[in-house]
Amino acid sequence: KNEVEQSPQNLTAQEGEFITINCSYSVGISALHWLQQHPGGGIVSLFMLSSGKKKHGRLIATINIQEKHSSLHITASHPRDSAVYICAVSASYGKLTFGQGTILTVHP
Amino acid sequence: DGGITQSPKYLFRKEGQNVTLSCEQNLNHDAMYWYRQDPGQGLRLIYYSQIVNDFQKGDIAEGYSVSREKKESFPLTVTSAQKNPTAFYLCASSPRVVYNEQFFGPGTRLTVL
Repeated sequence: KNEVEQSPQNLTAQEGEFITINCSYSVGISALHWLQQHPGGGIVSLFMLSSGKKKHGRLIATINIQEKHSSLHITASHPRDSAVYICAVSASYGKLTFGQGTILTVHP
Repeated sequence: DGGITQSPKYLFRKEGQNVTLSCEQNLNHDAMYWYRQDPGQGLRLIYYSQIVNDFQKGDIAEGYSVSREKKESFPLTVTSAQKNPTAFYLCASSPRVVYNEQFFGPGTRLTVL
């Protein structure tokens, strides 16, 4: 079993829909990261959080430390949100352990 | 502009040849990392460096080597001992190793023919 599990693996939505991507982890962590990878391959860090909730524009990330679970929400989704979303956790010495990613496709 | 550069974007090599991937950052970050990404798998850590002249093996270091002679540079050599070198390689940096957001380069796609 992977230390970081994401669901779903693939997600297709219509423009405007509310999207949720889930991440569960099995190890103790110092922080959880949500990353976005576009088709060209470059990765952008969206959020780093260790408790509660963070919001940036249409993106919201939450974490429940007791349940070892985090969610990434996208409100009013748009085709430009189409990307791979990756959950990663920082455990020892800041080393990141990554989930397999969720491929999101938003159709106009 | 501050950032991380990796070159080239695409690299082709013949089997049995060593190849070096470059990674440069001008963010004044202490820590740098190399990851490998294969289809359907999460990123895996190859090597990381917390400070100049120091580096540590990650989860899949076999067949790879690195150096950290300058703060801004962390080149990765894929040696002929690496059994499956064809992959997407990403370099990242962070101000410190512990509990820091990492900033990623654009990646190099290596194909070994």
